[in-house]
Amino acid sequence: KQEVTQIPAALSVPEGENLVLNCSFTDSAIYNLQWFRQDPGKGLTSLLLIQSSQREQTSGRLNASLDKSSGRSTLYIAASQPGDSATYLCAVSWETSYDKVIFGPGTSLSVIP
Amino acid sequence: DTAVSQTPKYLVTQMGNDKSIKCEQNLGHDTMYWYKQDSKKFLKIMFSYNNKELIINETVPNRFSPKSPDKAHLNLHINSLELGDSAVYFCASSPVAGREQYFGPGTRLTVT
Repeated sequence: KQEVTQIPAALSVPEGENLVLNCSFTDSAIYNLQWFRQDPGKGLTSLLLIQSSQREQTSGRLNASLDKSSGRSTLYIAASQPGDSATYLCAVSWETSYDKVIFGPGTSLSVIP
Repeated sequence: DTAVSQTPKYLVTQMGNDKSIKCEQNLGHDTMYWYKQDSKKFLKIMFSYNNKELIINETVPNRFSPKSPDKAHLNLHINSLELGDSAVYFCASSPVAGREQYFGPGTRLTVT
């Protein structure tokens, strides 16, 4: 069964810290993996998308890595800011059904000023 | 300019009623989706349409019927609403299936 998990469920850090969010998935034959951000009461904002052939993607202070063999992706946030506080969701599609995306449960991040 | 829009933003209705949620995207994308986010914030795909054709139906009750009049619109009609239908429903689109998805702001449905 294709599943996505995220650890930790919640994370609280002081402003300025670098942090790592984790995403794990079963079945390494993925098509792509996408990281989203969701603010309370809002929709999802796409942060980074990594194709299966890629190892990482970077956008500003964000870096996402992908290790298919171990079934893991990490989202690294450098120099965290209070505005980074949100829920971060990992979403995976697999080669067997690349048009179907399965989301992880998310990590709720609080950056304390 | 709103890329993916949904109406209404909030919908409160009684059990047994029939309601519709509308979604429109102005990105020229071929693929559109409906997701349900339950009270535990878990997001799950319901339907996927590609160029007005249904490609995914994730064991959603028959009371839910998506309709795509053209590739820029994907509406969701729900018959005989139940308490368990209360959730936030998100519409999304992508250029083609399997590419980056863009989400609408969500419709919070409350069934009383």
